[in-house]
Order: sequence, then C-alpha cells, then structure tokens
Amino acid sequence: AQSVAQPEDQVNVAEGNPLTVKCTYSVSGNPYLFWYVQYPNRGLQFLLKYITGDNLVKGSYGFEAEFNKSQTSFHLKKPSALVSDSALYFCAVRDEGNTPLVFGKGTRLSVIA
Amino acid sequence: NAGVTQTPKFQVLKTGQSMTLQCAQDMNHEYMSWYRQDPGMGLRLIHYSVGAGITDQGEVPNGYNVSRSTTEDFPLRLLSAAPSQTSVYFCASTPRGGGGANVLTFGAGSRLTVL
Repeated sequence: AQSVAQPEDQVNVAEGNPLTVKCTYSVSGNPYLFWYVQYPNRGLQFLLKYITGDNLVKGSYGFEAEFNKSQTSFHLKKPSALVSDSALYFCAVRDEGNTPLVFGKGTRLSVIA
Repeated sequence: NAGVTQTPKFQVLKTGQSMTLQCAQDMNHEYMSWYRQDPGMGLRLIHYSVGAGITDQGEVPNGYNVSRSTTEDFPLRLLSAAPSQTSVYFCASTPRGGGGANVLTFGAGSRLTVL
C-alpha cells in the first residue's frame, strides 16, 4: 500500500528566503506524486504533479518540486518565499492506475515578513 | 462556476443524530471521494466511487455510508453521529481516464461538530 510522510509539522521562513517543504513516499510501483495547498477555511488547491520524465516539476505560484527516486522524495521548493505563501501544504501519492490518492499529514508553512 | 459543491458548510449535531453531507459536481467526473481532515492527521479517505452504482471503502469507513445513484452526486451519510466524527469533510472528484495522473478537484468543505 502507498504511503506519504511529511516529517515537519511546521516550517518557518523569512520572506524573500528560499523555502523547502519535505515529502517522502512509499509505493510498490511507479509513483504519481502531487502537492496541494490549503489556505485558511478553504478547500485544497492543486499546485503541481510528477508523472514521469524531468525530475524538476514546475507548478503554480512559482513553486517547484524535485523528484528523487533513489531517496523516494518529492520536496516542494520556492526560490523566494512570500508572506502570502503561508498555508498548509499536503503531499500526496498514488500507485500506477487510478487508485485512491493518499495524503500526508500536512506541513504548515509560515512566512514571516 | 463548474466545480464540486458541498452542503452544508457548517453543521452541529447531537450524539446519535443522523445527517447527510451532500456533494455534487458538474464536470462529468466518474471518480468521486470523501475525505475527512483532522488536526495532525492530514486527509484520510472515507469512501470513494469509480462510477454510478459503484462504491468502495477507504481508510476510515466505519460510521459512514455512501451511495452513487448518479454521476453528479455522492452523498455521505452519518447514521448515528458520534463525537469522534467531529471533523472537516471534503468531497473531491476527478475524471477516471488518464490513469494515475488525474488531479482531484476539491469542494470547499463541510465542518461538522458532534456534541
């Protein structure tokens, strides 16, 4: 069965600094990996996904994620954080095929001005 | 606007009461699912459906029933609410084709409190 781990409950970063939100995964086959963001009192919004190909995936709002098969990781990154990036971020994975998406526990990002 | 609509947005129940959380999508998505979100637990899958007439259990199905009589609607029923069901519930949908790459579209959520 697939699983996702987000080792940090909270990440604090100063505005303008680079940010990284960590994610590791476990699947039996090739993974389909996703990042979603949740702003306060809102539903989840899709940021980016990895299917195959280039290990660096670019997504919405300047975010990108790096797929590392040997480390089974899919860390979310942004070169310069904004206060408006403060939100709850979820990593998710599914195995090959249209099996249900499994989410991590979420990481709260706080960007301080 | 097209998307996933959940009702109600807020609900307070007493222990033992029953209720139905409604979910409707107008994107002709075959796949629909219900998740619950609890602090420190992330999103956990309750039930899902790959098409009309087909439902299956997720990670935490106990205490919940679902049905899928149409492509558009996927209601979640609590037959006898318990305080442990206090949570925020999210409905999500996606097209079935495309394999694992499909992106889930989420509703805005329904916040349920059971006293």
